[in-house]
Amino acid sequence: EPEVTQTPSHQVTQMGQEVILRCVPISNHLYFYWYRQILGQKVEFLVSFYNNEISEKSEIFDDQFSVERPDGSNFTLKIRSTKLEDSAMYFCASKGQGGNEQFFGPGTRLTVL
Amino acid sequence: AQSVTQPDIHITVSEGASLELRCNYSYGATPYLFWYVQSPGQGLQLLLKYFSGDTLVQGIKGFEAEFKRSQSSFNLRKPSVHWSDAAEYFCAVLAGGTSYGKLTFGQGTILTVHP
Repeated sequence: EPEVTQTPSHQVTQMGQEVILRCVPISNHLYFYWYRQILGQKVEFLVSFYNNEISEKSEIFDDQFSVERPDGSNFTLKIRSTKLEDSAMYFCASKGQGGNEQFFGPGTRLTVL
Repeated sequence: AQSVTQPDIHITVSEGASLELRCNYSYGATPYLFWYVQSPGQGLQLLLKYFSGDTLVQGIKGFEAEFKRSQSSFNLRKPSVHWSDAAEYFCAVLAGGTSYGKLTFGQGTILTVHP
């Protein structure tokens, strides 16, 4: 069964460093998402991406964040200068054309020291 | 803007007992509703979804949920809980009408199952 994959599973970085979180969505899906979950809090929407551009973004998704689909398979989230409060689990999701179900990856746990 | 409330942060049940996890949503139109489960260290797995039609929906692992428009609720139920059901459960609503709509999640309910 096709699934969304994410790498790495755990990333530790120093404050101020850039990180790139990688996702491989399900191959025929067209809509891509990033969510995050700070420890003990709810899962929050960050950004949606369709047709090579951002469709919607939350207030969390400021200029420090960017997304890219560099090739036909990967979908990345970049944080330019990490802050302590960026420590969270980051989930990638994808959705096919005409469907409403988003399929989630296993997440990347980002720890900013 | 849509919102989801899960009133119970933590629920403990005995194995074999019935379970009901509460979810209330706020959304102006007919919502698309979902229940996801997250086991420790795992991602979010879809249990079931409601888009339209029959208000009682069946999902995986023996779970079901009932959509009640009058109460703005979408409670998750299981008649007999298994120890492997211990996990965190999230209710979510999708803003209808947008193909790329975002999910809004509730706070989550942690389920503990006693033997």
